[in-house]
Amino acid sequence: AQSVTQLDSHVSVSEGTPVLLRCNYSSSYSPSLFWYVQHPNKGLQLLLKYTSAATLVKGINGFEAEFKKSETSFHLTKPSAHMSDAAEYFCVGAYTGGFKTIFGAGTRLFVKA
Amino acid sequence: NAGVTQTPKFQVLKTGQSMTLQCAQDMNHNSMYWYRQDPGMGLRLIYYSASEGTTDKGEVPNGYNVSRLNKREFSLRLESAAPSQTSVYFCASSPREQANYGYTFGSGTRLTVV
Repeated sequence: AQSVTQLDSHVSVSEGTPVLLRCNYSSSYSPSLFWYVQHPNKGLQLLLKYTSAATLVKGINGFEAEFKKSETSFHLTKPSAHMSDAAEYFCVGAYTGGFKTIFGAGTRLFVKA
Repeated sequence: NAGVTQTPKFQVLKTGQSMTLQCAQDMNHNSMYWYRQDPGMGLRLIYYSASEGTTDKGEVPNGYNVSRLNKREFSLRLESAAPSQTSVYFCASSPREQANYGYTFGSGTRLTVV
């Protein structure tokens, strides 16, 4: 069965320290994978996407994610957190050859001054 | 600005009332979607329209109807609102039906049914 699991419901970091948001996927074949960010009372904004080209994907606002097939993971990282990064982040899997998009449950990122 | 526009942004309904949520996109996308977002449950697909003239049920379609009015507009109707439909509703669009294109989301409609 296809699934997307975000391993942490909440992550708290200090401003200026690295961010790691973890996402695993389950599938018999590699999906396209996305990270979206949702700031309070806003819609979801696409941060980055992986579609079977380069395994290291760079997105907006200094975020990047690495697709690791052997670990079925697509973790989101940023070297240095900023207060404006505080938001909820969704990992999403999309399966080609059909129409099925699976959203992870979300990870809320808190950034402390 | 190009994107997905949803109206209204906020709405309070009484149980049994009806209403239509409007969504329009100006990116010439073929596919459009309605999601609901509830605490602890992520986003769940209500209905989608792969292309103009077609609509299909998603994961949680009960209590809703949709209309793909034209390529730009995709509306969601609640015929008889229930408290269980209190949620934040998001409209999204993508260039094509294939899921690997990614979505552009609207800013949401916060609906409360009392």
